[in-house]
Amino acid sequence: QAVLTQPSSLSASPGASASLTCTLRSGINVGSYRIYWYQQKPGSPPQFLLRYKSDSDKRQGSGVPSRFSGSKDASANAGILLISGLQSEDEADYYCMIWYNSAWVFGAGTKVTVL
Amino acid sequence: EVQLVESGGGLVQPGGSLRLSCAASGFPFSNYSMNWVRQAPGKGPEWVSYINNSSTTIYYADSVKGRFTISRDNARSTLYLQMDSLRDEDTAVYYCASQYTGSYPDYWGQGTLVTVSS
Repeated sequence: QAVLTQPSSLSASPGASASLTCTLRSGINVGSYRIYWYQQKPGSPPQFLLRYKSDSDKRQGSGVPSRFSGSKDASANAGILLISGLQSEDEADYYCMIWYNSAWVFGAGTKVTVL
Repeated sequence: EVQLVESGGGLVQPGGSLRLSCAASGFPFSNYSMNWVRQAPGKGPEWVSYINNSSTTIYYADSVKGRFTISRDNARSTLYLQMDSLRDEDTAVYYCASQYTGSYPDYWGQGTLVTVSS
């Protein structure tokens, strides 16, 4: 089982909110980890969006709009990236990442389509 | 402005070797950790290796351990990845990524394509 699991795709309308999940493998407690989120558009490298561990331990990437925010769902053992007020420019692949066992581990990514 | 420019990619046969370079500028390279991350066509990123500022701490992904070697030359502000015993599954765009503004990969280069094929 993968360390991080993300839904492969998500579609939403402009102006709507999109909630992207990143579920940690059973036995890896989401509360102990900083979850990092990246956005990648075709032909470009991943770009750091934000980091979230708790409301007192979070960091927004430089120039990243506040409509991108992070949270956690402890009951689901998952990190969440919330995109509010979806815009066409938000259409991209989104990856979560953690530092686990002396390695950066990425999820397989969620492709967000803005209909 | 932070700039990371990778070079050294190309076509190589299985079992062959390549050495990638990443020239850094716009930040005090010698003070910060660096990473190599790769991305196979149509796949998500896969972290390859990490090196701290003084080269005293190095980590590798299991998939490349024993075949790849990360190193850096702080005087030249350059990061390297020596890749030996290359396999088809090593085909990917290889990115270097700094840990400059925080303890995570923040700035990324545009990548260099490595194709392993006979």
